[in-house]
Amino acid sequence: NAGVTQTPKFQVLKTGQSMTLQCAQDMNHEYMSWYRQDPGMGLRLIHYSVGAGITDQGEVPNGYNVSRSTTEDFPLRLLSAAPSQTSVYFCASSGQGRTGANVLTFGAGSRLTVL
Amino acid sequence: GEDVEQSLFLSVREGDSSVINCTYTDSSSTYLYWYKQEPGAGLQLLTYIFSNMDMKQDQRLTVLLNKKDKHLSLRIADTQTGDSAIYFCAERDGGSQGNLIFGKGTKLSVKP
Repeated sequence: NAGVTQTPKFQVLKTGQSMTLQCAQDMNHEYMSWYRQDPGMGLRLIHYSVGAGITDQGEVPNGYNVSRSTTEDFPLRLLSAAPSQTSVYFCASSGQGRTGANVLTFGAGSRLTVL
Repeated sequence: GEDVEQSLFLSVREGDSSVINCTYTDSSSTYLYWYKQEPGAGLQLLTYIFSNMDMKQDQRLTVLLNKKDKHLSLRIADTQTGDSAIYFCAERDGGSQGNLIFGKGTKLSVKP
């Protein structure tokens, strides 16, 4: 099993450009989420999904869109990148979203720089 | 809203015990977690504890939970240089969706 796969690992954008960070999991997990990690700020939840067709906002959703058309994929879209979105982004999934321990499996991260 | 607090840095000598502390605010949290992040990598689960437990031990790791004080600690016995990493405390929020709320992380440095 590959677990949680994120692409790309690194990306440089100019202000105003758009892009999509891809996340795929092969564990048939219902719950998927996106976090951003910034120095001194820990991990902050951007968006999450408890199943295909269902998404919801986390703590810092502004500037990001998500969709969940399949169980496996949970892409994160930046419609108009801003320097404040320079960060490391982590996708995580769990087979126990609404019940149980909700132990998250993380991807390796995508480092985004917006100039 | 919910908040998780932990000290930012800890330095220990190889072979000593490390204790990383964490406080949380959501008294309805059902699970609390410790994750480890090595440089350039994602987070890996170390252990978690259910809120009706006081202690959980797993090899060199001991987790203590004081629910009254909303205090969680992670003790690493016989700390090795390979334990150098950032350690995150997290709580499962009391809402129905089960999102995890993370602290800012404690950077553990192990000196030989």
